[in-house]
Amino acid sequence: AAGVIQSPRHLIKEKRETATLKCYPIPRHDTVYWYQQGPGQDPQFLISFYEKMQSDKGSIPDRFSAQQFSDYHSELNMSSLELGDSALYFCASRGPGTPTSRQYFGPGTRLTVT
Amino acid sequence: QKEVEQNSGPLSVPEGAIASLNCTYSDRGSQSFFWYRQYSGKSPELIMFIYSNGDKEDGRFTAQLNKASQYVSLLIRDSQPSDSATYLCAEGTGGGNKLTFGTGTQLKVEL
Repeated sequence: AAGVIQSPRHLIKEKRETATLKCYPIPRHDTVYWYQQGPGQDPQFLISFYEKMQSDKGSIPDRFSAQQFSDYHSELNMSSLELGDSALYFCASRGPGTPTSRQYFGPGTRLTVT
Repeated sequence: QKEVEQNSGPLSVPEGAIASLNCTYSDRGSQSFFWYRQYSGKSPELIMFIYSNGDKEDGRFTAQLNKASQYVSLLIRDSQPSDSATYLCAEGTGGGNKLTFGTGTQLKVEL
């Protein structure tokens, strides 16, 4: 079965650089979520999109932006990177159905800022 | 105070025993609860979800929800070394049903 695809899997950037993380949801899934998980921390919700519109916003810094495209893939753009942005970034997708249907997580992108 | 609280552990149980993981939440309006398993460096994997008071069983796993006490638990029967992982309790909140996670409980199943 198709799963959530994230690219790149690993990314190394320097402080003040920019980064773009990509997420390809499971086919026919219309909702995408982004989570950030720092070392030893639980995943923190950043932002979500439903049918290409932002549906909810969490603790996402102003330096970050995201969007969902017409093919439902999503990109998280991160600018002026800081050392504290080093983390695992997970994308999850959810298919149409009841609001409580499950989220499927991608393998994550490990971002290291040096 | 975190919205979802878990004991960070580690919780050590012998192989074949029952592991009991607990979680409390603060929002009385929360409707949906999830247990995720996460191996180090990997993505969270959903193992159970529960919406109604009572018990829900799936194989070796049983989730229990008590909305009056704002308490969710996960029982793992016949624990195996492969069950050793961090177990994250999460509630679905907001119109988009984002997940709010607890800090996770590390489970170690010893031979």
